[in-house]
Amino acid sequence: NAGVMQNPRHLVRRRGQEARLRCSPMKGHSHVYWYRQLPEEGLKFMVYLQKENIIDESGMPKERFSAEFPKEGPSILRIQQVVRGDSAAYFCASSLIAGGVDEQFFGPGTRLTVL
Amino acid sequence: AQSVTQLGSHVSVSEGALVLLRCNYSSSVPPYLFWYVQYPNQGLQLLLKYTSAATLVKGINGFEAEFKKSETSFHLTKPSAHMSDAAEYFCAVSDRSGGRRALTFGSGTRLQVQP
Repeated sequence: NAGVMQNPRHLVRRRGQEARLRCSPMKGHSHVYWYRQLPEEGLKFMVYLQKENIIDESGMPKERFSAEFPKEGPSILRIQQVVRGDSAAYFCASSLIAGGVDEQFFGPGTRLTVL
Repeated sequence: AQSVTQLGSHVSVSEGALVLLRCNYSSSVPPYLFWYVQYPNQGLQLLLKYTSAATLVKGINGFEAEFKKSETSFHLTKPSAHMSDAAEYFCAVSDRSGGRRALTFGSGTRLQVQP
């Protein structure tokens, strides 16, 4: 069973461009979470999605960032008009709710560099 | 709001020595608690989790952690460090109540193992 897949693993963008990060959850998982890790810091929650629904976006910046998890296909985290401060590692996790405990399985991350 | 504090951003031990990584949490209700390990340029891997069963939790690679409600702590230990344990370790908490399923992470502890 393949784990959580993220692509690309590394992404370089110039200021003002758009970044699209993709996440394919583990097979059978319908819950997806996005986290951001700034250099030398822990992970910070951004958004939690189920298929076709955003459940909790309390950690998402109000502007330029959006996320979706369509009925078919991977979850997408989209950053418009990137700035240098967006440079970070973005991790996706997925879970299968069982017994009320959400064990989240993490992907390898996408490392975004904004020039 | 819940939070996680990891005391010591860097811990160095000798190979074969005891590993102790500290984690204290703040939560209005008893939470779920997790320890994750991150190797360089990789995603997070779950070491162990506390879900209100036994207070002493055993995980992978010889790690264990003890939930102490009176101290609001969930410290991670390993009796004998191995060179391959060198990595960054994150403590995380998940709120049981409501629909919020995001993980709140500590800032991490980087473990160095000296030969």
